[in-house]
Amino acid sequence: EVQLVESGGGLVKPGGSLRLSCAASGFTFSSYSMNWVRQAPGKGLEWVSSISSSSSYIYYADSVKGRFTISRDNAKNSLYLQMNSLRAEDTAVYYCARDTVSRDAFDIWGQGTMVTVSS
Amino acid sequence: EIVLTQSPATLSLSPGERATLSCRASQSVSSYLAWYQQKPGQAPRLLIYDASNRATGIPARFSGSGSGTDFTLTISSLEPEDFAVYYCQQRSNWPPVFGPGTKVDIK
Repeated sequence: EVQLVESGGGLVKPGGSLRLSCAASGFTFSSYSMNWVRQAPGKGLEWVSSISSSSSYIYYADSVKGRFTISRDNAKNSLYLQMNSLRAEDTAVYYCARDTVSRDAFDIWGQGTMVTVSS
Repeated sequence: EIVLTQSPATLSLSPGERATLSCRASQSVSSYLAWYQQKPGQAPRLLIYDASNRATGIPARFSGSGSGTDFTLTISSLEPEDFAVYYCQQRSNWPPVFGPGTKVDIK
């Protein structure tokens, strides 16, 4: 079964750090670009970051650029998001999502992990 | 950055009715538009990619159309499980933004 499972969310104080992980299974992880998408409580979807299959290309939303770092370990079938200098507005459910081979949609999503930034 | 606008914000319909959802882009995205469905407490699910192609396992009552700046998601006859929020996403340019969503609720 093709599956993505996020972990690492939790409660953190403003200015703090957190590292999210996404474990992939059921497909050849190293062949796909991967993404992080977040959703603040009661709000819509916001793309956060993308990384190509070999990590050659990395993109960030302006709202997280300079604070978040996306990475992957193809040997471990894992995707990561290092989040530093967290703000209250980063509070959201964070989803990892697989890109299609032709990069025209996000076809597989994890169940999400909640990040709460609060003092 | 391309901006996506979805209308209406909320669509109140009864089971069996036809739903027509609109997504408009601030500039042409060719056919690089996807649609997702999200139910409360669940992750989004891909419905349509490249404007009109149904994703694997998506029922035929879901169809997408359009190109350039104007796109439509049609649900031909609403089933009880179709009441949800629907998002469009463009994949023409970076960043791959999402629209604000259309909620389809039960009338």
